[in-house]
Amino acid sequence: EVQLVESGGVLVQPGGSLRLSCAASGFTFSDSSMNWVRQAPGKGLEWVSYISGGRSIIYYADSVKGRFTISRDNVKNSLYLQMNSLRAEDTAVYYCARSQVGLAAVPMYWGQGTLVTVSS
Amino acid sequence: EIVVTQSPATLSVSPGDRATLSCRASQSVSSNFAWYQQKPGQAPRLLIYGASTRATGIPARFSGSGSGTEFTLTISSLQSEDFAVYYCQQYGNWPPGTFGQGTKVEI
Repeated sequence: EVQLVESGGVLVQPGGSLRLSCAASGFTFSDSSMNWVRQAPGKGLEWVSYISGGRSIIYYADSVKGRFTISRDNVKNSLYLQMNSLRAEDTAVYYCARSQVGLAAVPMYWGQGTLVTVSS
Repeated sequence: EIVVTQSPATLSVSPGDRATLSCRASQSVSSNFAWYQQKPGQAPRLLIYGASTRATGIPARFSGSGSGTEFTLTISSLQSEDFAVYYCQQYGNWPPGTFGQGTKVEI
């Protein structure tokens, strides 16, 4: 069974930094493309970032480019999102999601999310 | 960036009814289109990809159609567990894979 468990979400001040983690199990993590998708309170879904299984391909949404860094550890079966220069508009539940096989752009399996609140 | 517009924002239906949800992309995305279901307090669940292919384990009452800029999700006979928010996503011009703003299906 595919399992994705996010952690690291907390209350942080504007301008601060945070690192989210996602522990993966139940599938071959190193072969899988992964995404971060976020959802502001009461709002819709926003794709944030993508990383290929071998880490050779990385993409970011314009809204986070230059501030967020996606990475992965294929030995620890973990996905990360380093978030710097945080803004109030980054407040959201952040979901880790594995892409559909053969369709990098389609998140198929999702974790339950971790809440990041940016506020003073 | 391609903009995806969903309609209606809210759909009021009864169990057993047929529900039709629509999405329009601001430019053609071919059949690179997906639908997700999200219940309160839960993560989204992939329903449809490739505009019309059901994801693993999705009941046959869910069907998707369309191509280019117009897409439809049909739930043939609503069950109580289908009341949720539905999001569509284009991935024809990815990244980013832009989502619609959601349609709430309520009783």
